[in-house]
Amino acid sequence: GQQVMQIPQYQHVQEGEDFTTYCNSSTTLSNIQWYKQRPGGHPVFLIQLVKSGEVKKQKRLTFQFGEAKKNSSLHITATQTTDVGTYFCAGPTRQLTFGSGTQLTVLP
Amino acid sequence: DAGVTQSPTHLIKTRGQQVTLRCSPKSGHDTVSWYQQALGQGPQFIFQYYEEEERQRGNFPDRFSGHQFPNYSSELNVNALLLGDSALYLCASSYLSGELTDTQYFGPGTRLTVL
Repeated sequence: GQQVMQIPQYQHVQEGEDFTTYCNSSTTLSNIQWYKQRPGGHPVFLIQLVKSGEVKKQKRLTFQFGEAKKNSSLHITATQTTDVGTYFCAGPTRQLTFGSGTQLTVLP
Repeated sequence: DAGVTQSPTHLIKTRGQQVTLRCSPKSGHDTVSWYQQALGQGPQFIFQYYEEEERQRGNFPDRFSGHQFPNYSSELNVNALLLGDSALYLCASSYLSGELTDTQYFGPGTRLTVL
C-alpha cells in the first residue's frame, strides 16, 4: 500500500531560525495536504497542493509540491514559539495516509 | 458555524468491553471519516461514511464498525476492546464534491484508555 515518509522526526530550533520538513511518498499523489497538530490538540488543516511543482505561501510558511508529485516540503522562515507542534503531510484526500510527522520544538 | 464536534472527550474502559464514540460533522459537510492516532504517531485511517454507507475502509479488524445517520452524524463502535486500542480517535468531515480536492476538517478527538 501507499506509504508516506517524513523527515526529520524531531527538530529543535532556536527562535528566529528557519525550519524545513520533507515528505516523500512511495507512489505518485493526486494531491497532498499539510496539517499542524499542537501538543494535546487535533490536526488542523494548513494547505492543499494539487499541481506538479506548485508553491504556495502562507505568511512565513512556504509549501512545495515536487515535479513528480511524490514529494513535498514545508519551510518556516524565522520560527516563533507559536510554531511549536507536529507537522504532518497526508495524501491523497479521500483516504488520508499520514506521514509520521515532524515534531518541532522552538527554544526561546 | 460549528466545527466538527466529538463526544465524549475522554473515556476509560476495560479489556473486552465495547465502546461507542460520536461525531457531528461541520455544517454543510456530508462525509465523515474516522482515524486512530496512537501516541507519537500519525493518524491511521479506519473508515469513511457517505450517504449512510461505508465507502472506504483502512486496515482495521471487524471489531471496528460504524454508522452514519440521516443528519450526517456518525458513530464509531469498537467491540472486545484490547489494550492496543488505547488511542486518540479522530473524526474528520468533508464535503463530497465529486473531485479529489475535498478537504477534511478534524474534530478535537476522543481519548480512549483501555485498562
